[in-house]
Amino acid sequence: EPEVTQTPSHQVTQMGQEVILRCVPISNHLYFYWYRQILGQKVEFLVSFYNNEISEKSEIFDDQFSVERPDGSNFTLKIRSTKLEDSAMYFCASSVVEQYFGPGTRLTVT
Amino acid sequence: KNEVEQSPQNLTAQEGEFITINCSYSVGISALHWLQQHPGGGIVSLFMLSSGKKKHGRLIATINIQEKHSSLHITASHPRDSAVYICAALPPNTDKLIFGTGTRLQVFP
Repeated sequence: EPEVTQTPSHQVTQMGQEVILRCVPISNHLYFYWYRQILGQKVEFLVSFYNNEISEKSEIFDDQFSVERPDGSNFTLKIRSTKLEDSAMYFCASSVVEQYFGPGTRLTVT
Repeated sequence: KNEVEQSPQNLTAQEGEFITINCSYSVGISALHWLQQHPGGGIVSLFMLSSGKKKHGRLIATINIQEKHSSLHITASHPRDSAVYICAALPPNTDKLIFGTGTRLQVFP
């Protein structure tokens, strides 16, 4: 069964560094999403992406964040100048109708 | 007040018991999702529904649009069902899923 994959599974970075989280959506899906879950809290929507552009973003998704689909398969989330409070699980999802989630990347900012 | 509320927050059951997890939402929706989050953190989509009832194996999801309420039932529960179950509402004309805080289920042998 096709699945969404994410790399790396765990990323440790120092405050102020840039990180890129990678996702490979299911191949025939058209809509792509990033979510965040801070430890012990609920999942939060960050951004949705369709037809090579952002279709919606939350108030969390400020200028520190950017998304890109650099080729036909990858979907990336870039976080510039990371802060301690960016430490969280980041989930990618893709859909035609129903969303399918990836296993997540645990980002730890020290 | 949260737009999506789940109850109970924690649930303990003996293997074989019938489980019900409830979700109430205050927003209008085009669809409601039930998700399962494993102890390692990964999220699996269980159901997406906008009316009525859906069944997959031992899992049943129902929704009452008028009452803004959905339930997830697990029949003949098993220890491998132990996970966090999350309800998420999708309002109309938006991609922004609104997540509940989850129900942590533990099923003991």
